[in-house]
Amino acid sequence: QQQVKQSPQSLIVQKGGISIINCAYENTAFDYFPWYQQFPGKGPALLIAIRPDVSEKKEGRFTISFNKSAKQFSLHIMDSQPGDSATYFCAASWVSGNTPLVFGKGTRLSVIA
Amino acid sequence: NAGVTQTPKFQVLKTGQSMTLQCAQDMNHEYMSWYRQDPGMGLRLIHYSVGAGITDQGEVPNGYNVSRSTTEDFPLRLLSAAPSQTSVYFCASGRNTGELFFGEGSRLTVL
Repeated sequence: QQQVKQSPQSLIVQKGGISIINCAYENTAFDYFPWYQQFPGKGPALLIAIRPDVSEKKEGRFTISFNKSAKQFSLHIMDSQPGDSATYFCAASWVSGNTPLVFGKGTRLSVIA
Repeated sequence: NAGVTQTPKFQVLKTGQSMTLQCAQDMNHEYMSWYRQDPGMGLRLIHYSVGAGITDQGEVPNGYNVSRSTTEDFPLRLLSAAPSQTSVYFCASGRNTGELFFGEGSRLTVL
């Protein structure tokens, strides 16, 4: 059972454009929804995260939109830059229940000039 | 501040050999975990620990063993390596199960 479904698998965006990656989850107990960014040869790094009591969180060019009723959340990268080219993973966990993070399968983003 | 340190970075094994991937963190995190990353499969949880002396299985635990005798260390043991265990292994730690700090990864090839 895949608890977090992520799409698309790959994404090509023009420099300056908006990159959008979507995720859907099944477990309504999840209370923490992070996005991780991974560059080739490196470990994933926490990019931005949201809790289900808010519908949107913005940090610089990165925004998470959260729809609790639809059990979906998405990452928006505004003014995408070539340096944003990386693999992005959505994830979810029930932190208050001490359950481990479950990851989506990842989206490989390429930002071209 | 070293963060999460994994050793070795690269390893080649023959089928049937055993080995231990080391993981150490210096952030006094209670939570530690091991993931494997394979193309198209994302990050899959192998084992995790919520504190010293406590371990539990993740999604893909078969063929792997862990122990947590100290807060700092969480080694992953491959009991009898198989080609299907060829992967990149990541150790991660955190104050809770959500906000994780990952190591640089250990790349394992089993021939």
